[in-house]
Amino acid sequence: QKEVEQNSGPLSVPEGAIASLNCTYSDRGSQSFFWYRQYSGKSPELIMSIYSNGDKEDGRFTAQLNKASQYVSLLIRDSQPSDSATYLCALETGANNLFFGTGTRLTVIP
Amino acid sequence: KAGVTQTPRYLIKTRGQQVTLSCSPISGHRSVSWYQQTPGQGLQFLFEYFSETQRNKGNFPGRFSGRQFSNSRSEMNVSTLELGDSALYLCASSLEGRGRGRYNEQFFGPGTRLTVL
Repeated sequence: QKEVEQNSGPLSVPEGAIASLNCTYSDRGSQSFFWYRQYSGKSPELIMSIYSNGDKEDGRFTAQLNKASQYVSLLIRDSQPSDSATYLCALETGANNLFFGTGTRLTVIP
Repeated sequence: KAGVTQTPRYLIKTRGQQVTLSCSPISGHRSVSWYQQTPGQGLQFLFEYFSETQRNKGNFPGRFSGRQFSNSRSEMNVSTLELGDSALYLCASSLEGRGRGRYNEQFFGPGTRLTVL
């Protein structure tokens, strides 16, 4: 089992809808979780970090962490065409290794 | 505060040559990590440097090496280039690096696009 798994997509949502991106992980000792956005031809950009169970909101973005079920999600409310990008989930395992998922490609349709 | 910078942005080399890439981290960041990104393999970890010492290493051959200077700037070297080394090479800096949770938030540079012919 991979350390981090994401559905590669593509995920298509209409403008104004909620986009839900999911990530599962295998190491129960993982403590730190990160979401990155990567536009085509650009480098990844950190958009959210979450370290404890529950929800963390930042503007239109909400990160959700459920350690018991070993998943972390990113919700994007009121999706805009400018949100079209690949979203990478990353986490730091109990052994202090940092792993990135392969990313989910999101397309927001105007 | 200035972001992570990488030079050069683009490189074209031929097989067998070697290449050196440079990365300047965000001021105050002591950890620099290098990644290789290809369409098929995603983001692959090369190595991490902290206080001029290689602290972690990914699963890449010895042709890939790096170093970090006292001002935290880092260089990565690839010797005897192969066609499969064509990729986007990303440098990321963080305050304290791996194992430090929120102090390991990685900030990426724009990358160096290497093409090996």
